[in-house]
Amino acid sequence: DTEVTQTPKHLVMGMTNKKSLKCEQHMGHRAMYWYKQKAKKPPELMFVYSYEKLSINESVPSRFSPECPNSSLLNLHLHALQPEDSALYLCASSRSGEAFFGQGTRLTVV
Amino acid sequence: KNEVEQSPQNLTAQEGEFITINCSYSVGISALHWLQQHPGGGIVSLFMLSSGKKKHGRLIATINIQEKHSSLHITASHPRDSAVYICAVRLALGAQKLVFGQGTRLTINP
Repeated sequence: DTEVTQTPKHLVMGMTNKKSLKCEQHMGHRAMYWYKQKAKKPPELMFVYSYEKLSINESVPSRFSPECPNSSLLNLHLHALQPEDSALYLCASSRSGEAFFGQGTRLTVV
Repeated sequence: KNEVEQSPQNLTAQEGEFITINCSYSVGISALHWLQQHPGGGIVSLFMLSSGKKKHGRLIATINIQEKHSSLHITASHPRDSAVYICAVRLALGAQKLVFGQGTRLTINP
């Protein structure tokens, strides 16, 4: 299994909603990442988890809250988002420098 | 100036043509990645390079560490190769982070 699986694929949420994005991998990778990608732009790093501990937070607003419950699972909890947070959210995992990306969740905030 | 520069930004070619996409970087790296992203889709890792040359099917990637330059070549291009190709470097310091180029949008016409 060389996949990073993200759910849901699409999400529309209101500014007062609370929702979560999920990312799962069963490759035994101990580094997992959240990226945000706006249209026609490269991905921007949000968070890095290493051995289930948050190691990098790229000054992301607190309305985005990551969680790594175990070595296979990474969540991104969303609350009180703004329309400008609409983007493709990509999860990735890595081992020995090789990176594996999920298909992303396309988020629209209305 | 971006730490990772790609050229060209956009490239349109006819099916069968030989394609070259270039990437230059200005920082110390431990590895360079070539990634492919289809419209609306996730990212697929094509190559990870730290020296020399790699080949996979019709794709060839080279890197010159001294010149801080990498190229991605596609031989016998096909419309299904149409995608955004992204160069990303893993920094020598802060090895958990990838720094992305702006991407090259490739369109192969039949």
